[in-house]
Amino acid sequence: DAGVIQSPRHEVTEMGQEVTLRCKPISGHDYLFWYRQTMMRGLELLIYFNNNVPIDDSGMPEDRFSAKMPNASFSTLKIQPSEPRDSAVYFCASSLPGSPLHFGNGTRLTVT
Amino acid sequence: RKEVEQDPGPFNVPEGATVAFNCTYSNSASQSFFWYRQDCRKEPKLLMSVYSSGNEDGRFTAQLNRASQYISLLIRDSKLSDSATYLCVGNDYKLSFGAGTTVTVRA
Repeated sequence: DAGVIQSPRHEVTEMGQEVTLRCKPISGHDYLFWYRQTMMRGLELLIYFNNNVPIDDSGMPEDRFSAKMPNASFSTLKIQPSEPRDSAVYFCASSLPGSPLHFGNGTRLTVT
Repeated sequence: RKEVEQDPGPFNVPEGATVAFNCTYSNSASQSFFWYRQDCRKEPKLLMSVYSSGNEDGRFTAQLNRASQYISLLIRDSKLSDSATYLCVGNDYKLSFGAGTTVTVRA
């Protein structure tokens, strides 16, 4: 079991640039979640998918953020344009219904 | 009001001590809960699942009080390696995490 795989592990970019974060969930998991973690706000749910369909995106900060899941084994979180306040650790997680989440290693994003 | 609230701590305890802390939740529809531990700059990892009134795994005991809507985590005979942030979450559809309780075990 390879676990949830995220890339890149670290991303440093300049304000205004587009950032794309990638996630491969555990095979067979129906649910995929994107979280953002900062010291100030803790772990926040941004969006989650069930069977590749976005179910709740109320946590997405604003229109600069978008997420897609084109198939069961891949999801992206895109920020365009990026801003310094987007700097955070972004976690992807997957799960079976009612079961615990399995987190990826996270992407540490720094926007200068 | 957040759906899940935790005492942030920090709890600073000596090795061998017992430490306990709570997590309160507002969504009474949550059927099960999970405790995760998170080490600095790492991802949260599942520590324990709580499906009924409680669960015990070695030095760790979790108890669920549905009437008062809280879950507790107790760590006995604490080790240096128990130093971490402990997060609780219910299995409601939004899977809202608490802010975490920081535990530091000192030698």
